[in-house]
Amino acid sequence: SQTIHQWPATLVQPVGSPLSLECTVEGTSNPNLYWYRQAAGRGLQLLFYSVGIGQISSEVPQNLSASRPQDRQFILSSKKLLLSDSGFYLCAWSVGQGEFFGPGTRLTVL
Amino acid sequence: RKEVEQDPGPFNVPEGATVAFNCTYSNSASQSFFWYRQDCRKEPKLLMSVYSSGNEDGRFTAQLNRASQYISLLIRDSKLSDSATYLCVVNMKSGGYNKLIFGAGTRLAVHP
Repeated sequence: SQTIHQWPATLVQPVGSPLSLECTVEGTSNPNLYWYRQAAGRGLQLLFYSVGIGQISSEVPQNLSASRPQDRQFILSSKKLLLSDSGFYLCAWSVGQGEFFGPGTRLTVL
Repeated sequence: RKEVEQDPGPFNVPEGATVAFNCTYSNSASQSFFWYRQDCRKEPKLLMSVYSSGNEDGRFTAQLNRASQYISLLIRDSKLSDSATYLCVVNMKSGGYNKLIFGAGTRLAVHP
C-alpha cells in the first residue's frame, strides 16, 4: 500500500532563516506530487505541483521553491523565511482520482 | 466569487442527529468532486468521491447537482467521532493538468 512521509512534524524558525521540508512517497511509481499550505483557520492553498522528476509548476508567487530530485521525493525550500510563511505544510500525492496527504509539517516563523 | 464556497459553521448537533452540508462551485467544467474530512491539527483525509448519480457509504450520502453547481454531504445518526471539519473539493483543469480546489471547510461538532 502507498504511504507518504513528511518531516519534521513541527518546526520553529527565525525570520530570515532557510527552510527545507522533505516529502517521500512509497508504494507507487510516477505519482503527481503537491505542496499545500494551510494558514490557521483557512483553506488549503496549492503552492507547487509536479508531474515528474525535475518538473515543477508554481501556483503562486512567493519566496518558496520546490524540487523533485527523485520520482518519489519532493522538497520545499526557502532561502529566507518571512513571518507570513507560518502555517501547516502538507505534501500530497495522486495517481488518478483524489489526492492523499502526508501528516504535515507545522511551521512557526518567529 | 470563490471557486468553492462552504458555510464555515460550526454546526453543533446532538448525537444521533442528521446533518447536511452544502457546497457551491464556480467552474461548470469541473468533473470530479470529493468530500474530505480534517481533524484538528491533522491532515485532510479523503472521505468519499461524489458521483453524478449520488452515492452512499454507510451513514454518509453525497449528492451532486450539476445544473445548480452544488454538492451536498448528509450524515445520518451522528457520532461524537464525526466531529471534524469537512472540506468540499472540486477539480479544475489548469494548463492541461487537473488540480483540486479545496473549500475552506465546514466545522461539525457533535455533542452528547
